[in-house]
Amino acid sequence: AQSVTQLGSHVSVSEGALVLLRCNYSSSVPPYLFWYVQYPNQGLQLLLKYTTGATLVKGINGFEAEFKKSETSFHLTKPSAHMSDAAEYFCAVTLPEVGNQFYFGTGTSLTVIP
Amino acid sequence: DTEVTQTPKHLVMGMTNKKSLKCEQHMGHRAMYWYKQKAKKPPELMFVYSYEKLSINESVPSRFSPECPNSSLLNLHLHALQPEDSALYLCASSRGLAGELFFGEGSRLTVL
Repeated sequence: AQSVTQLGSHVSVSEGALVLLRCNYSSSVPPYLFWYVQYPNQGLQLLLKYTTGATLVKGINGFEAEFKKSETSFHLTKPSAHMSDAAEYFCAVTLPEVGNQFYFGTGTSLTVIP
Repeated sequence: DTEVTQTPKHLVMGMTNKKSLKCEQHMGHRAMYWYKQKAKKPPELMFVYSYEKLSINESVPSRFSPECPNSSLLNLHLHALQPEDSALYLCASSRGLAGELFFGEGSRLTVL
């Protein structure tokens, strides 16, 4: 079975500071990896994804993530936090051979302090 | 058009009512999903339709009944729900087997 671990259910950063949200996965085969953001009372919006190719992927709103196979990690970063980044963030994994089955992490709630 | 549209946005129902949640996408996606999400939790998969056929049913109680009338529409029929079924119900679609999920805004369900 696949699993996704997000370390830190709550992360607080000051406005303008670095954002680092951690995601580790377990998978027997190379997975596809995703980060989603959810604002209050809304659905999930895709921030970025890794499927194949370049391991550093850039997404919307200045976010990026790096796939590190040796560490089974896909951490999300943003150089400078903005108040509008306050939201719930979910890391997700799917297996290309299986498909139709996404495994979500438990989520990280990001608070941005003015 | 990269939207998944869900109606209604809010629904309050009694335990004896019958209601339906509706989802529509016009992206040509052939996989559609229903998820249930409780507050501060990740989405939990309920059902997956692939090419209009039910491919995954995650042991969901029979009081939830999915329907996929065509490749663009997905319904979730609700009957005799319990208060613990109150949650945000999210519809999603994807292009292929492992493509990213496109989510709707969700339907907030309250069961009294």
